[in-house]
Amino acid sequence: EAQVTQNPRYLITVTGKKLTVTCSQNMNHEYMSWYRQDPGLGLRQIYYSMNVEVTDKGDVPEGYKVSRKEKRNFPLILESPSPNQTSLYFCASTPYGGSPEAFFGQGTRLTVV
Amino acid sequence: LAKTTQPISMDSYEGQEVNITCSHNNIATNDYITWYQQFPSQGPRFIIQGYKTKVTNEVASLFIPADRKSSTLSLPRVSLSDTAVYYCLVPTKNTGFQKLVFGTGTRLLVSP
Repeated sequence: EAQVTQNPRYLITVTGKKLTVTCSQNMNHEYMSWYRQDPGLGLRQIYYSMNVEVTDKGDVPEGYKVSRKEKRNFPLILESPSPNQTSLYFCASTPYGGSPEAFFGQGTRLTVV
Repeated sequence: LAKTTQPISMDSYEGQEVNITCSHNNIATNDYITWYQQFPSQGPRFIIQGYKTKVTNEVASLFIPADRKSSTLSLPRVSLSDTAVYYCLVPTKNTGFQKLVFGTGTRLLVSP
């Protein structure tokens, strides 16, 4: 089944403890991105990647890192999480840059205390 | 990047047709209009995309007038399971890819 898989689905952590949210897609898509969703603010793009080893900042990149060493994986790294990073995170993949159809993962609900 | 405006919320009953209108006054000549659906605690799902006139698929229809400054997503005979947030987007190509900017969408509540 074609899908985008995120792990974990739920995570509660403490301020300053490094964490990684994994994202994997099995559709051989070139383009992947991370979003966060907060009440009243909609979805905002954190980082995106147009292909292996090509990443760039989205609209709210502060406090996040990403890497794209393989086409299928696009992990989101929080080196020193803070409470304002408590949010619902989504990973998405798109078959090619010109496609409007993004496939989203099931989301990761992160709480930083 | 074309800004979109859509109602914050709408209510309907099962079996009715629902029309959600989105305005995008500064849409560019090459821009397409795209709609996504999001159920609670799930990621958004692509529904439909169009450029002009009418597009229909198994989920919805999209009506776009000649001036393309607005568009209407039409959901025929909604059911309770259509309760979701619907986003209107006008993706803009930037360095070879389409940037998706999600606003706060329209929250549709379908009641029995």
